[in-house]
Amino acid sequence: DTEVTQTPKHLVMGMTNKKSLKCEQHMGHRAMYWYKQKAKKPPELMFVYSYEKLSINESVPSRFSPECPNSSLLNLHLHALQPEDSALYLCASSRTGLGDNEKLFFGSGTQLSVL
Amino acid sequence: AQSVTQLDSHVSVSEGTPVLLRCNYSSSYSPSLFWYVQHPNKGLQLLLKYTSAATLVKGINGFEAEFKKSETSFHLTKPSAHMSDAAEYFCVVSAPASGTYKYIFGTGTRLKVLA
Repeated sequence: DTEVTQTPKHLVMGMTNKKSLKCEQHMGHRAMYWYKQKAKKPPELMFVYSYEKLSINESVPSRFSPECPNSSLLNLHLHALQPEDSALYLCASSRTGLGDNEKLFFGSGTQLSVL
Repeated sequence: AQSVTQLDSHVSVSEGTPVLLRCNYSSSYSPSLFWYVQHPNKGLQLLLKYTSAATLVKGINGFEAEFKKSETSFHLTKPSAHMSDAAEYFCVVSAPASGTYKYIFGTGTRLKVLA
């Protein structure tokens, strides 16, 4: 199984809502990533977890809260988002996060719309 | 700091003609470089990666890339374009950060294949 599964595929939320994005992989990978991709733009790194510890936070606003409950699961909790947060949120995993040449396996993303 | 620059935002080729997508990198040491492809409404997929073992790297679907240190380039090529190659292509470099690595995407090149 070389899949990274993201749910939901689409999400519409109001600015006062709380929602969560979920990402799961069963490849035994120990590094997981959240990227944000606006239309016609490249993916921008948000967070990196390695061995269930948050390694990198790219100065992401606190209304985005990542969580890695175990090595297979990655969540992104959303609260009080702004319309400009509407984007495709991509999850990825790699073997350990400790090598500079690891292949990233991407999910198909959650398309988020904030009204 | 590591970075990549994709020199063309759009490239159009006729089916059956060669493809050239250009990428230049900036790095204080020999970098690890990657090419990823993103088809419409699909996740990102690794095409190939350079990790200093060989300067000419062969990837999936007939793509290859050559690492040229003297030119700080890592251009992606394919001898004969197919309609299914139409997609967004990203050049990516890894960079050390906080005990792990982050993967930084270039701005992307949209490849259009004309019948």
